[in-house]
Amino acid sequence: AQSVTQPDIHITVSEGASLELRCNYSYGATPYLFWYVQSPGQGLQLLLKYFSGDTLVQGIKGFEAEFKRSQSSFNLRKPSVHWSDAAEYFCAVGAYNQGGKLIFGQGTELSVKP
Amino acid sequence: NAGVTQTPKFQVLKTGQSMTLQCAQDMNHEYMSWYRQDPGMGLRLIHYSVGAGITDQGEVPNGYNVSRSTTEDFPLRLLSAAPSQTSVYFCASRSTGREFFGPGTRLTVL
Repeated sequence: AQSVTQPDIHITVSEGASLELRCNYSYGATPYLFWYVQSPGQGLQLLLKYFSGDTLVQGIKGFEAEFKRSQSSFNLRKPSVHWSDAAEYFCAVGAYNQGGKLIFGQGTELSVKP
Repeated sequence: NAGVTQTPKFQVLKTGQSMTLQCAQDMNHEYMSWYRQDPGMGLRLIHYSVGAGITDQGEVPNGYNVSRSTTEDFPLRLLSAAPSQTSVYFCASRSTGREFFGPGTRLTVL
């Protein structure tokens, strides 16, 4: 079955510290992978995506993610967290053929302490 | 471009009432979808459409109907609301390589 797992429901990091959010997936075909961010009361904003090519992808707001096929993972990283990064982060996997569905993980809530 | 718009932003219903959540996009995207977001469960796909006149079920379709008469609009209908449908609903449209999400509708069913 196709699924996405984000093992950490809630993470707290200090401002300026590094961040890694984990994402593991189960998908039959070559997946397209995404990270979205949701600020409180807001919709979802795309941070970055991986379709093919270089397995290290850069996104907005200084985020990056690395696709590791052997580990079925697509972890999100940021070298130095800012207070404004506090939000909920969703990993998603899908197929971008016609009708391809996007499957989301449960989300990881990030808190940033001063 | 307004992007993806949703109305209303908030709604309170009583059990058994019906209503339609509106979704519109002005980007001429063929693919549109509806998700519900519940705490600890991420976003789950309700229904989706690959173009006008074509719809299909997602992961959690029960209790919801959709239709797609135009490329722009993709309304979601609750025929008889239940407390289990209390959630935040997001509409999205798809361009090459990404979804565009609307701001959401927060629905409470009493």
